Amino acid sequence: AQKITQTQPGMFVQEKEAVTLDCTYDTSDPSYGLFWYKQPSSGEMIFLIYQGSYDQQNATEGRYSLNFQKARKSANLVISASQLGDSAMYFCAMRAPGANAGKSTFGDGTTLTVKP
Amino acid sequence: DAGVTQSPTHLIKTRGQQVTLRCSPISGHKSVSWYQQVLGQGPQFIFQYYEKEERGRGNFPDRFSARQFPNYSSELNVNALLLGDSALYLCASSWGAGITYEQYFGPGTRLTVT
Repeated sequence: AQKITQTQPGMFVQEKEAVTLDCTYDTSDPSYGLFWYKQPSSGEMIFLIYQGSYDQQNATEGRYSLNFQKARKSANLVISASQLGDSAMYFCAMRAPGANAGKSTFGDGTTLTVKP
Repeated sequence: DAGVTQSPTHLIKTRGQQVTLRCSPISGHKSVSWYQQVLGQGPQFIFQYYEKEERGRGNFPDRFSARQFPNYSSELNVNALLLGDSALYLCASSWGAGITYEQYFGPGTRLTVT
């Protein structure tokens, strides 16, 4: 079974500062993918970044980077230079190969509020 | 290009009724997955369909069923609605069924059961 834990229900950050959103995971699969999504109040889930379990380097996408520490089973999202539009719910998710490869297991999310 | 579309946007039903939710994937995508998101929680996986066949199923009762059509659109049916079925239902499409294929989510259908 796969499990995602996000321990920060809410986070605040000042505009233009960096923020780290925590995510730890648990799985017995040797191969898996880790994903971060942003969900604004409108409800649509927006893909941000992907990290494969065998990727040697941490993933980066613009202002988003993923701090992947495999031995600690953590996949923290770092947002640099926060903007007011970054205020949203953020979800960490994972998928593993096999019969349920299309199944994303999500954490309960972190609400990020960017202050002007 | 159009993204994933879902209809209806909002829906109010009474306990015991049946509901059908619809999803149109991004053009060229052959996989559709359905998720239920209860307020304050992360989405929970319900089904995945790929090439019109069920490829995965989450821990949901048999009241939940789905199908995928030849044009890869999909319907999610829920029978005998319960108050606990009130949630945002998200559809996600991807080109393939494996874990490296990014899932693109639609705006969701908000279902309220009274």
